[in-house]
Amino acid sequence: GPKVLQIPSHQIIDMGQMVTLNCDPVSNHLYFYWYKQILGQQMEFLVNFYNGKVMEKSKLFKDQFSVERPDGSYFTLKIQPTALEDSAVYFCASSFQPSNERLFFGHGTKLSVL
Amino acid sequence: QQQVRQSPQSLTVWEGETAILNCSYEDSTFDYFPWYWQFPRESPALLIAIRPVSNKKEDGRFTIFFNKREKKLSLHITDSQPGDSATYFCAALASSSFSKLVFGQGTSLSVVP
Repeated sequence: GPKVLQIPSHQIIDMGQMVTLNCDPVSNHLYFYWYKQILGQQMEFLVNFYNGKVMEKSKLFKDQFSVERPDGSYFTLKIQPTALEDSAVYFCASSFQPSNERLFFGHGTKLSVL
Repeated sequence: QQQVRQSPQSLTVWEGETAILNCSYEDSTFDYFPWYWQFPRESPALLIAIRPVSNKKEDGRFTIFFNKREKKLSLHITDSQPGDSATYFCAALASSSFSKLVFGQGTSLSVVP
């Protein structure tokens, strides 16, 4: 079936550094999302993105976070600077329609901030 | 504040038994309830979903029972198989929120042969 690819699968960085998480969504999908999952807890919505713009974001989407998809390439989540509490698994997802009727998720990127 | 709650946190059943996974929610504006499952080292994937116009949705061995008045739903897996062993996430969406799925913490299901 359709696949969402996330690169890298694991990223270890020092606190204060910048990190970019990459997502290659399903090719004909138009809506893109990031979710954050801290170990042992539920996935929590961060942001969704459509037509080059952030449509909705949660309070977890701090000022240090940004998303973009330049020229239809990777959909990226950038954190600058990182903090210890940013350590989590970040899931990218995409969908063809905005109603979340079917989200396709990637395998996640485990971010470890030291 | 956790808007979607799941119980139990983990569940073990014998092969062939029926597994029952519970979910409750708080927000009355939620109008779409998908269940996602996630196998180890795999990404979450949509399993089955229901809208409040129905109180039951069936797909093979998987059935959602929905109680709008009590804001509860449950996923029943009949004739459980070892291959059903996974983490099951209940989620909820208010269509007015554009696309913000709210997930529960998940139930880890183990089906023992």
